[in-house]
Parts: sequence; C-alpha cells; structure tokens
Amino acid sequence: EVQLVQSGAEVKKPGESLKISCKGSGYSFNTHWIAWVRQMPGKGLEWMGIIYPADSDTRYSPSFQGQVTISADKSISTAYLQWSNLKASDTAIYYCARSVGPEYDFDSWGHGTLVTVSS
Amino acid sequence: EIVMTQSPATLSVSPGGRATLSCRASQSVSSDLAWYQQKPGQAPRLLIYGASTRATGIPARFSGSGSGTAFTLTISSLQSEDFAVYHCQQYNKGLTFGGGTKVEI
Repeated sequence: EVQLVQSGAEVKKPGESLKISCKGSGYSFNTHWIAWVRQMPGKGLEWMGIIYPADSDTRYSPSFQGQVTISADKSISTAYLQWSNLKASDTAIYYCARSVGPEYDFDSWGHGTLVTVSS
Repeated sequence: EIVMTQSPATLSVSPGGRATLSCRASQSVSSDLAWYQQKPGQAPRLLIYGASTRATGIPARFSGSGSGTAFTLTISSLQSEDFAVYHCQQYNKGLTFGGGTKVEI
C-alpha cells in the first residue's frame, strides 16, 4: 500500500525556521515526484513545488519561489519543505502528494501537517 | 499562469440527487484535468484524471467530461459520503487548482 506519512503539527513564532517531512513507503520512492500543496484556513489548494527524489530536480510555483525550499533524501525515502523566516501568513495545512511526473495529477496524498505561526 | 474557475462555490443537493460541477480554464489545458474530493479534516483524494478517467476504486457514479477550457464533474445518485468539497486541477502548463465547490445537503 502506498503511504505518505507526514511529520506532526508545529507551532512556531514569526521569524523562526522550520522543516517538515514526508516519508514515502509501499512504492519506489525514486521513480515518482513529490509535490507540496498548501491549504490556508478555509481556503483552496495551492501547488507550491515538486521534486524528483532520484536526482533532486526541483520546480517551484512562481508564487512560492524564494519563499520555501523543497528537498529530498532518497536514502530514507523522505521529502522536505522548509522555511527560514516564518510569517503569520504561513499558517496553513501543508500536504505532500505523489505524482508520476512534474506536470501530472496527484494519486496519493499525505495526511497533512498543520503549521501555526503566531507570536 | 492558467487560472481555474469552479462554479458554483456551493451546491445544495438532496441525497439520491444528481450534482453537476463546473470547472473552466483561462486557456486550453487539453484533457490534462483532474478532480479531487476532500472531506472535512482529510486530505484530498484523486477521483478523475485525464478529464474523464476514474482513479482506482472510484465508484462509477462519479464521471468527468470536457476538454480544452470547459470541464464537468457529475455525481449521479449522491450518497451521504459524497458531501464534500471538490477541487479541479490542471496540469497542462504548470499546476493550478480551482477554488473548489462545496457539495452540501
């Protein structure tokens, strides 16, 4: 069974850094792309970026370029999303999702990580 | 960036009824269109890809149609578990989602 298991909820202060994770299992992690999707409270889905763990080829949405960093460690089948300077507006649920290509549908999703940024 | 517009924002349907959801693209996305279902507190789930192909395990009451700029998700004979938010996504040029349609009783 394909599973994407995300790290737990985080509460941070503005200006702090954060790295959340998404661990894949039940499939070949290196042969699929992993995307990150933001959902702000009560809002829709926003694609942030995507990475191919086999070679770390990474693409970002223009809206998120320079705001976050996406990385992966194929040796432990884990993808990451990180911030260096959190803002209150980063408060959201962040989902990882699997895709067969950089521009494809997402056939499996993680359960989401709630990030709360508040002073 | 391709903008995806879903309508209506909220759709009220009775159990057993039929729901028709619309998704429009600001430019042609061919058939590179997916639909997702999201229930409260849950992650989205892939329903339809390629505009009309049901994902694994998706019941036949869900059907997708359209190409180019206009797409439709139809749910025939709504079950209680179908009341949720539905998102469309294009993956023809970049990746963008629509704003979602909430299907409620």
